[in-house]
Amino acid sequence: AQSVTQLGSHVSVSEGALVLLRCNYSSSVPPYLFWYVQYPNQGLQLLLKYTSAATLVKGINGFEAEFKKSETSFHLTKPSAHMSDAAEYFCAAGSNYKLTFGKGTLLTVNP
Amino acid sequence: DTGVSQDPRHKITKRGQNVTFRCDPISEHNRLYWYRQTLGQGPEFLTYFQNEAQLEKSRLLSDRFSAERPKGSFSTLEIQRTEQGDSAMYLCASSLAPPGGGVPSFFGPGTRLTVL
Repeated sequence: AQSVTQLGSHVSVSEGALVLLRCNYSSSVPPYLFWYVQYPNQGLQLLLKYTSAATLVKGINGFEAEFKKSETSFHLTKPSAHMSDAAEYFCAAGSNYKLTFGKGTLLTVNP
Repeated sequence: DTGVSQDPRHKITKRGQNVTFRCDPISEHNRLYWYRQTLGQGPEFLTYFQNEAQLEKSRLLSDRFSAERPKGSFSTLEIQRTEQGDSAMYLCASSLAPPGGGVPSFFGPGTRLTVL
């Protein structure tokens, strides 16, 4: 069974600083991997996805993630945080219909 | 296209009562998914439909839970004889089936169920 671990339930950064949200997956076969974002009072929105093509995946709003098979990781990064990036971020692994989510990381951006 | 909508947004019920939630997907989407999210956890897969066919059900979906999508459009999720452990946010999402689609890009806002 797949499992997804997000290191850090809460990450706080200053505006303009690097954002790094960590995600590790457990699977005998590298699954499809995804990052979703949930802004306050809104539903989950797909940020980016890895489906065994390029290992560096670019998503919306300047976010990107790199699939590293040797580390079973799929960390999410953004070079410069904006106040509007404050949200909860979920990493997920799975097939094209069934996702296993991590517990989420709440990102706070300080002015 | 107004996205995935769910009704009601909030439901408070007493233990033992039945509840029903509705999800209206994005109109052209033939896949519809139900997930459940409890406090401090990520969403957990419950079930999904392709058109009107329910193709997979999680073991989380006990006999008290039933989901339908009778005409391949909206879906309902019913919980019979609710228990306090059913308290959660119930999320719905939709997508096109592969190869043109896959996992959902957007989830609905959810129905928050509180069982007293």
